[in-house]
This record gives sequence, structure tokens and C-alpha cells, in this order.
Amino acid sequence: QQQVKQSPQSLIVQKGGISIINCAYENTAFDYFPWYQQFPGKGPALLIAIRPDVSEKKEGRFTISFNKSAKQFSLHIMDSQPGDSATYFCAASLRTGNQFYFGTGTSLTVIP
Amino acid sequence: GAGVSQSPRYKVAKRGQDVALRCDPISGHVSLFWYQQALGQGPEFLTYFQNEAQLDKSGLPSDRFFAERPEGSVSTLKIQRTQQEDSAVYLCASSLETQYFGPGTRLLVL
Repeated sequence: QQQVKQSPQSLIVQKGGISIINCAYENTAFDYFPWYQQFPGKGPALLIAIRPDVSEKKEGRFTISFNKSAKQFSLHIMDSQPGDSATYFCAASLRTGNQFYFGTGTSLTVIP
Repeated sequence: GAGVSQSPRYKVAKRGQDVALRCDPISGHVSLFWYQQALGQGPEFLTYFQNEAQLDKSGLPSDRFFAERPEGSVSTLKIQRTQQEDSAVYLCASSLETQYFGPGTRLLVL
């Protein structure tokens, strides 16, 4: 059973556009939601993370929107650049220090 | 500072061979995790250490998989009698709060 469901599987965005990736979860006990970026042949790198007590967190061009009642959260990449082309994973954990449950990933391609 | 390192980066094994994958965590990180990432999928949890204690091994797929962290720093994931379905990228992560991943070991079992 997939604990975290992620969509879309792939996404193509024009340079300068907004990339939006969505995730949904079932376990209301999750209290930490990170997003990771992974380039081919590399390990996942933390982008941004949020806890359920806030509805939005912004760091540079990256924003997480969190909807606790809908059990959904999303990553918005503003002013998308070709260098953002990578696979993005959402994840959730019961608390920091616990295992992460990852989504299946979204392959983002930003075309010039 | 140095991140999480893993070795070897690539490993080709014949079916039935034993392999050992090494993880060097970030210095001072108490927690260490191993994940398995199949092609085109997200990482899946294998096991978790806090210092030298293995607190959770519920994700290990069979008793052919064994992990240790004897001195609370370097960890080794061992796979005995490898099978083709073991082919994947094995990721190690260490954390104080959030998890920082190494580059992974890509294992191919022929």
C-alpha cells in the first residue's frame, strides 16, 4: 500500500513557467513532509520541508502548500529553469528521525 | 563539510554471490537509514540505526539482507546469495533531524 501518492508522473514546463507537483497521504499521524530533488546518478537532495502546523512555506523559488484537512501537499517551482530538470519526490514521516515514506516521483523537464 | 559517502558506487555481482555495501555518514549524525530504490521508483525503507542499535529492520525484504553499524558510525549493508530482483540503487541517509542522502550504490545482479 502506497502511503504517499504523487502526481503527475512526468511534467514538461516552459522556462519561466510554474511547475506544480501534488502529493496526498492517508496517515494523519504524519507530521513532517519534505521534498527531495534527484538528478540522474545522484542521491536525493533536500529541497524544502514543512510541518502540518503551517499552510505554506517558501524558500526562494520553491513553495510548499499544505492542506491538512484534505491531506494533500504540493510543491510549486516558480520561474522554472532548465537546471530544475530532475526527478522530484515528496515524502512523509511520523516524526523527524523516523523513516520516510516516499512518493513515486515526478520527472520534471523544463524546456528553454 | 563532507556529506554522506557510499562505496562502491557500482557493483556487478553474479547471482548467488554475497555483496557488502558501505556507508560513511555525516560526522556526528546519530541516525542512519538504508533505502532501496528500484528504477523509476521512490526510495523504500530497509532499516534504521540509532548509534549502533538497529531499531527498525522491518523493511528488509528477506533474511538474506543484513545490516550493521558496530561502532555507531560506518554502516554496512550485506546481501547474501544475491538474486536478480536485488538489482537496485541502495541509498544511505544520515540525520540529526532531516535526512541527508549519499549518492547510492547501484547494484546489478546478473
